[in-house]
Amino acid sequence: KQEVTQIPAALSVPEGENLVLNCSFTDSAIYNLQWFRQDPGKGLTSLLLIQSSQREQTSGRLNASLDKSSGRSTLYIAASQPGDSATYLCAVSGFNKFYFGSGTKLNVKP
Amino acid sequence: GAVVSQHPSRVICKSGTSVKIECRSLDFQATTMFWYRQFPKKSLMLMATSNEGSKATYEQGVEKDKFLINHASLTLSTLTVTSAHPEDSSFYICSARDTGQTNGYGYTFGSGTRLTVV
Repeated sequence: KQEVTQIPAALSVPEGENLVLNCSFTDSAIYNLQWFRQDPGKGLTSLLLIQSSQREQTSGRLNASLDKSSGRSTLYIAASQPGDSATYLCAVSGFNKFYFGSGTKLNVKP
Repeated sequence: GAVVSQHPSRVICKSGTSVKIECRSLDFQATTMFWYRQFPKKSLMLMATSNEGSKATYEQGVEKDKFLINHASLTLSTLTVTSAHPEDSSFYICSARDTGQTNGYGYTFGSGTRLTVV
C-alpha cells in the first residue's frame, strides 16, 4: 500500500525566506503527484501537478520537483510571505485514488 | 476552471440523526466522485469512490450502512451519515475529476463540510 510522508510536520519562518517542503512516497508506480494548499477549516486548493513523466513544475514563486525513482518530491517556495501560511499537502495518484501525506503546517511571520 | 461545490460547509447535528452532504460539479460532468475524511491534524483518507448510476466502492474499514453514497446524476453525489455519533465528527471533502481536462488527472476538490455530532 502506498504511504506518503511529509517532513517537516510544521515550519515557522520569517517573511522573505526561501523554503523547501519535502514529500516521500513508498511506491514509485504513480500517475502523478500533486501539491495542495489547505487553509484552516477549508478545502484543498491545487497548487502544482507533476505528471509521472515530468521532473518539475513551476507556478509563480512555487516550484515542485519529482524524482520517481527515489520516491521524493519537494515544494520550493521563494520569498515567502505571510499569506503563504497554510498547510501544504502532497498527494500521489494511483488509478482513481489519491494518497495524501499528513501535511506541513507553514507559518510565515511578518 | 472546474469547480466543485460542497454543501453545507458546516453542520451540527444530534446523536442518532442523519446528515446529508452534497457534492456538485458545477461546470463539468463527473462520472466519478470521491469522498474523503480528514481527522484533526491528520491526512485525508479516502472513504469511497462514487460512481454515477451504480453502487459506490468503499475502502476497507468504511461502513457502507453508516456512510450512504448516492450518485444519481453526472453532477451530483451525496454522502449521508446515518445514525450519527460523536465519533463521526470530522471534516468531509469530496473530489471530482473533470474528464474534459487534458493536463492529466484534473481532480478538483470541494471546500469541505465540518460535521459536529453532539
